[in-house]
Amino acid sequence: DAGVTQSPTHLIKTRGQQVTLRCSPKSGHDTVSWYQQALGQGPQFIFQYYEEEERQRGNFPDRFSGHQFPNYSSELNVNALLLGDSALYLCASSLDLGPYGYTFGSGTRLTVV
Amino acid sequence: AQKVTQAQTEISVVEKEDVTLDCVYETRDTTYYLFWYKQPPSGELVFLIRRNSFDEQNEISGRYSWNFQKSTSSFNFTITASQVVDSAVYFCALTSGDSNYQLIWGAGTKLIIKP
Repeated sequence: DAGVTQSPTHLIKTRGQQVTLRCSPKSGHDTVSWYQQALGQGPQFIFQYYEEEERQRGNFPDRFSGHQFPNYSSELNVNALLLGDSALYLCASSLDLGPYGYTFGSGTRLTVV
Repeated sequence: AQKVTQAQTEISVVEKEDVTLDCVYETRDTTYYLFWYKQPPSGELVFLIRRNSFDEQNEISGRYSWNFQKSTSSFNFTITASQVVDSAVYFCALTSGDSNYQLIWGAGTKLIIKP
């Protein structure tokens, strides 16, 4: 039973560019949440997708957008990259928007230069 | 507002010592859930335990144990007879309806187990 899969593992982008990160949830999960984790800090909630809609959003600018597909996989897009966007981006899947357990992927390490 | 505090930034112990990681939380909700996650250098957050606010029983899983005390709003995590493989960053997290069931994270405690 596959867990949460994220791609790519590492990415280097130039300031001002755009990036797309991908996430496949754990089998049986229908909800995907995205988190940003800066070095030495805890994860910060970006947004959550359920039934192909953004259900909740954290305190992140509109440069951060996402999408969920009918197979529950999800993408995180970041436009006009800033140096401060360098972080580990974690995807977590869960079931039915509830607090019953979140399974995390290994993350995508984004470096903006 | 909800908040999770992990006051210990970094702990270093010698292998086989016992170590306790502290977690203090704040919430106005009467129904809430507490979590501990382990983050090894690989980056993946590994789920360790979930505890709801109505279950104050302490839990033991092998060398791991958790002490949940609502009176002091604490949910501490103890590793007995630590091993080098326990080295990681450990996060405590809280969720409830007040946060729309999003996880509120502590800053994490980096645990270093020396051989």
